Amino acid sequence: EAGVAQSPRYKIIEKRQSVAFWCNPISGHATLYWYQQILGQGPKLLIQFQNNGVVDDSQLPKDRFSAERLKGVDSTLKIQPAKLEDSAVYLCASSLGFGGRETQYFGPGTRLLVL
Amino acid sequence: DAKTTQPNSMESNEEEPVHLPCNHSTISGTDYIHWYRQLPSQGPEYVIHGLTSNVNNRMASLAIAEDRKSSTLILHRATLRDAAVYYCILRSRDDKIIFGKGTRLHILP
Repeated sequence: EAGVAQSPRYKIIEKRQSVAFWCNPISGHATLYWYQQILGQGPKLLIQFQNNGVVDDSQLPKDRFSAERLKGVDSTLKIQPAKLEDSAVYLCASSLGFGGRETQYFGPGTRLLVL
Repeated sequence: DAKTTQPNSMESNEEEPVHLPCNHSTISGTDYIHWYRQLPSQGPEYVIHGLTSNVNNRMASLAIAEDRKSSTLILHRATLRDAAVYYCILRSRDDKIIFGKGTRLHILP
């Protein structure tokens, strides 16, 4: 079974530029998550989709971050414009269903450096 | 949201058992206890989860206190490949997830 795929793996941009990350979850997984992980900290949930609907985006900085999940499969996360403090690893995860007992499967992440 | 408390770091010798503690005194009755680990430059990896009873799988065992306010992840025989950051997470029925800083486990050869 293929895992969660993410691209690109690395990205370097200058502040005020825009950037987009792509995630392909495990086939058949209804729930998709985007996390931000700053160096030395645990992942922080940015947004959670169930199929193509948003379940939780309370920690997404909506003035600069946006995300979509078209057709309930792939997802993209965009930052526009980027700030220095957005330098982090952006992790995508998926799970088969929704709820406390579900296992999340994580992708390898996209490492973003904003100069 | 319910939170967990873990030691910042722990050390263990190779081929010995490791007990990683986690406190979650504000856990609610429907929260599941999950453990994930993150190897360097990788995404977190699922280890084990449980609700009330102790759980075993091929990777580890999870011992849950009777009052559910704490739990312990047990690696029965640590190897160098087990060196990672281990996260103890509570997942609620509405799927709320909060990661802490985790425990960085060092394995000594």
